[in-house]
Amino acid sequence: ETGVTQTPRHLVMGMTNKKSLKCEQHLGHNAMYWYKQSAKKPLELMFVYSLEERVENNSVPSRFSPECPNSSHLFLHLHTLQPEDSALYLCASSQAPPTSGPYNEQFFGPGTRLTVL
Amino acid sequence: AQSVAQPEDQVNVAEGNPLTVKCTYSVSGNPYLFWYVQYPNRGLQFLLKYITGDNLVKGSYGFEAEFNKSQTSFHLKKPSALVSDSALYFCAVRDMSNNDMRFGAGTRLTVKP
Repeated sequence: ETGVTQTPRHLVMGMTNKKSLKCEQHLGHNAMYWYKQSAKKPLELMFVYSLEERVENNSVPSRFSPECPNSSHLFLHLHTLQPEDSALYLCASSQAPPTSGPYNEQFFGPGTRLTVL
Repeated sequence: AQSVAQPEDQVNVAEGNPLTVKCTYSVSGNPYLFWYVQYPNRGLQFLLKYITGDNLVKGSYGFEAEFNKSQTSFHLKKPSALVSDSALYFCAVRDMSNNDMRFGAGTRLTVKP
């Protein structure tokens, strides 16, 4: 898992706090992703960045704000979250079209376990 | 839209026995299918994928998966389960309309000694 790192691994925050999650990939990939993993639910794709441009926002509430300053780093800025936002947030990276085909697997970080009080 | 379904929340097997974790898919066009495993407190790890060619795909840690077009299935298998195989397993399909990966809800595999 040294290919994709995430910090912090655990985060507890109040509903009025502002915090950020960080992801870094050392694999030379050109696409990065944020997923939300809740118990007994499929992984929810939140944001996709390809070649440092956001290509998808799956109707994610504005209290989640992504930032991709370069192809190796991805942030998720959090503010005024709700208790139902408590989950494991996973970052992933891959090679993405048009530089490669559609069959490349994604590489995941270990996740940030977020608890909103 | 492309999707996968994992019909079992939980699979229990005894160590040494064969295991199967089921996945069915729904796609328009050629399917690109993947299996991932998630160990406790870890991210997802890629196991194997089907793109084209042989219906039996071999992957990491002795796992393999069988692609069956007529049954639209892509079941994960291993001839002899280990206790260390206990984890959460996810099936996924590439959605060709936007290149997103669509994951199933996951199946928790427990291998008992």
